[in-house]
Amino acid sequence: GNSVTQMEGPVTLSEEAFLTINCTYTATGYPSLFWYVQYPGEGLQLLLKATKADDKGSNKGFEATYRKETTSFHLEKGSVQVSDSAVYFCALSDRTLGRLYFGRGTQLTVWP
Amino acid sequence: DTGVSQDPRHKITKRGQNVTFRCDPISEHNRLYWYRQTLGQGPEFLTYFQNEAQLEKSRLLSDRFSAERPKGSFSTLEIQRTEQGDSAMYLCASSWDTTDYGYTFGSGTRLTVV
Repeated sequence: GNSVTQMEGPVTLSEEAFLTINCTYTATGYPSLFWYVQYPGEGLQLLLKATKADDKGSNKGFEATYRKETTSFHLEKGSVQVSDSAVYFCALSDRTLGRLYFGRGTQLTVWP
Repeated sequence: DTGVSQDPRHKITKRGQNVTFRCDPISEHNRLYWYRQTLGQGPEFLTYFQNEAQLEKSRLLSDRFSAERPKGSFSTLEIQRTEQGDSAMYLCASSWDTTDYGYTFGSGTRLTVV
């Protein structure tokens, strides 16, 4: 079946620190992979995506590379800001079933 | 287009009452999805529509939950005889005719059952 496993939070960093949030997946077929971000009281916003193996998604300084051999899609940012504080969700698509599967989310807090 | 709109943003209801939520998707999108999110969890799939056809509803949590999309545009999610365990954020999303590029989510409806 399909599932996504994220590192448990919360993650607390100082401003300008390096961020890694681990994500691994199991899937039937060849999914697309996503990172979504959720700010307090809001819905989810698409942060970045990768549609095939070895693709790198990037946006707003965040990056993630689709690694088929390790079934991973780790989120990284070289220098976090206070405004990056949010919950981050890793997700995969199942094209056959027509839906996304989400991890449990990782809370990130960045202190000035 | 202003994105996916959900109404209301917040709903407080007494146990046993019926509630209905509305979602207006991005007009060019023909798929519409409903998810539920409880505190500390990722979104949980409930159901989805392609145009007006409901293609998957087995994940609706019980027969108290139902969804419609009568003209292939907006959708409603109804919960009958609400229970305290129904308290959650209900998220609507829309997409093109594929999940390859992800969804666009609305801001959600926060339901509190007292």
